[in-house]
Amino acid sequence: AQSVSQHNHHVILSEAASLELGCNYSYGGTVNLFWYVQYPGQHLQLLLKYFSGDPLVKGIKGFEAEFIKSKFSFNLRKPSVQWSDTAEYFCAVNAGGTGNQFYFGTGTSLTVIP
Amino acid sequence: NAGVMQNPRHLVRRRGQEARLRCSPVKGHSHVYWYRQLPEEGLKFMVYLQKENIIDESGMPKERFSAEFPKEGPSILRIQQVVRGDSAAYFCASSPQGALLTDTQYFGPGTRLTVL
Repeated sequence: AQSVSQHNHHVILSEAASLELGCNYSYGGTVNLFWYVQYPGQHLQLLLKYFSGDPLVKGIKGFEAEFIKSKFSFNLRKPSVQWSDTAEYFCAVNAGGTGNQFYFGTGTSLTVIP
Repeated sequence: NAGVMQNPRHLVRRRGQEARLRCSPVKGHSHVYWYRQLPEEGLKFMVYLQKENIIDESGMPKERFSAEFPKEGPSILRIQQVVRGDSAAYFCASSPQGALLTDTQYFGPGTRLTVL
């Protein structure tokens, strides 16, 4: 069965620090990859997505993610975090051949200290 | 500019009662997905519906759970004879096209079900 792993459960950073959140998936075929963010009290919002082409994907609010096929990874990065980035971040995979199923990681809680 | 609406936001039920969760997709979206998030776990796919059709219910427990998306009105996730293990956050998402793998899903705020 497909699975998505987010190894960092809780991350605490100071403002202006750089961020990298890990995401690994287990599926050998074609995948579509997503990062969602859930700000406190709000619903899940799409941060960025990868379907094909350039493996370095730019998203909203200065976030980017890099798809490394050989490592089955899709790590999320931001060079300089802000207090407003405090949120829960979820990686998701939609694997070719599984139709409509999206597989989500358990999430990473990010707290940015002013 | 209404997004996906879910109600109620919080639902408390005693063991053995029925829980009905509602989801109104983004206007114009005809594809709805339901997910469950248990404590300390990620979202788990339950069911995918189009208007009047269940397309994929492979993630739905075989008993007590059912879902529908009628021609008119919201999608309903129904849990009969709830047990404590059903306590979770239930999220609904909608998309305009659905069947295409490149489609983006828009999520609702979730319904938090607590079974006493």
